[in-house]
Amino acid sequence: GAGVSQSPSNKVTEKGKDVELRCDPISGHTALYWYRQRLGQGLEFLIYFQGNSAPDKSGLPSDRFSAERTGESVSTLTIQRTQQEDSAVYLCASTQEAGNSYEQYFGPGTRLTVT
Amino acid sequence: AQSVTQLDSQVPVFEEAPVELRCNYSSSVSVYLFWYVQYPNQGLQLLLKYLSGSTLVKGINGFEAEFNKSQTSFHLRKPSVHISDTAEYFCAVRGRNSGYALNFGKGTSLLVTP
Repeated sequence: GAGVSQSPSNKVTEKGKDVELRCDPISGHTALYWYRQRLGQGLEFLIYFQGNSAPDKSGLPSDRFSAERTGESVSTLTIQRTQQEDSAVYLCASTQEAGNSYEQYFGPGTRLTVT
Repeated sequence: AQSVTQLDSQVPVFEEAPVELRCNYSSSVSVYLFWYVQYPNQGLQLLLKYLSGSTLVKGINGFEAEFNKSQTSFHLRKPSVHISDTAEYFCAVRGRNSGYALNFGKGTSLLVTP
């Protein structure tokens, strides 16, 4: 079946502009995660959605970052007034049921470059 | 909170040689442990996971890892590597009862040459 998809695959933007990144999770997966991967670094957790519960936003680095998810479908990560330090690969992952499913299925990522 | 240290940023190895990628974790609670692989220009793929039970875990592509609680380690091994194993390998940890997000190490780049 289809895996996690993300769009765009690459995004180049000017400093100060807003960007929106999209994630389509695997159908039926109730939990969705966003991570950031800076060059030469591991993945940093950003935000987590589980069903209709309030999202866990504890990993968002600043109030310029926000994310939404409608039900158990698509999620968008928005970065306002982008800065050069926002340049990274943004990865989305989904799982079938957060409490009992331990494998996170990752999308290919969106490579964001802020010039 | 949990954290992971991958002791080697790069590991060069010749084809058909054995390899070990090291991972140590820090946690005040019991943990689940994972190894993910990221092939060039692809997303992360789960190699193997330790949840409970036998401390020796076998994964895909001939990889295995051993959970050592006293050493707080979860090293990844393969007895004979192939060129196609060239990739970035990430160790990750999450607490059993403390949230669902994974804490990743910085990754180890495995380069297999003929």
